[in-house]
Amino acid sequence: QVQLVESGGDVVQPGRSLRLSCAASGFTFSSYGMHWVRQAPGKGLEWVAIIWYDGSNKYYADSVKGRFTISRDNSKNTLYLQMNSLRAEDTALYYCARVGSGSYHPDFWGQGTLVTVSS
Amino acid sequence: QSALTQPASVSGSPGQSITISCTGTSSDVGLYNYVSWYQQHPGKAPKLMIYDVGDRPSGVSNRFSGSKSGNTASLAISGLQAEDEADYYCSSYTSSSTVIFGGGTKLTVL
Repeated sequence: QVQLVESGGDVVQPGRSLRLSCAASGFTFSSYGMHWVRQAPGKGLEWVAIIWYDGSNKYYADSVKGRFTISRDNSKNTLYLQMNSLRAEDTALYYCARVGSGSYHPDFWGQGTLVTVSS
Repeated sequence: QSALTQPASVSGSPGQSITISCTGTSSDVGLYNYVSWYQQHPGKAPKLMIYDVGDRPSGVSNRFSGSKSGNTASLAISGLQAEDEADYYCSSYTSSSTVIFGGGTKLTVL
């Protein structure tokens, strides 16, 4: 079955960097695009970024553009999110999710990893 | 880009039907048939309920249905059950090749 396991969340100071990982299994990772979506405590879902199945295209939300970088290693079945210049407003549970086949919606989601930005 | 607009809350009694609206613009909901809906119970990851406006993933009850008219999409739930009580989010692909979510709707089953 499809499984997505995020890791790398931590408590970090404003301005610092952090890299999240998402290990995928149960499907052919190299055939699917992937999303990162975040949810601040007690708030709604906010889309962060998408990467094409082969890494050829990447798109970002305006709130993270220029600070976050999405990437993938298809040989390791792993998705990444490099987060630089972190701000307090980046505090959230970060989910990775698979792109639905033939479409753009996130279909299967991981359980998330918590990032807290605080001094 | 602003979030899609959803009502903050809706409620209904067991067995009743409810509808949740999701209003966007001609650059997202109105432009593509790539609207999806998610159910999220407290402390859990979101679950896909509807994709591409009106398609249901395998395993999702046919009590859930989706539609779209112009810039507004809708999620309908018939035969409300206690387990349907959750937060619901819509999302859409956009003309900027990004994805946008709605602010979420809390469904209360009375």
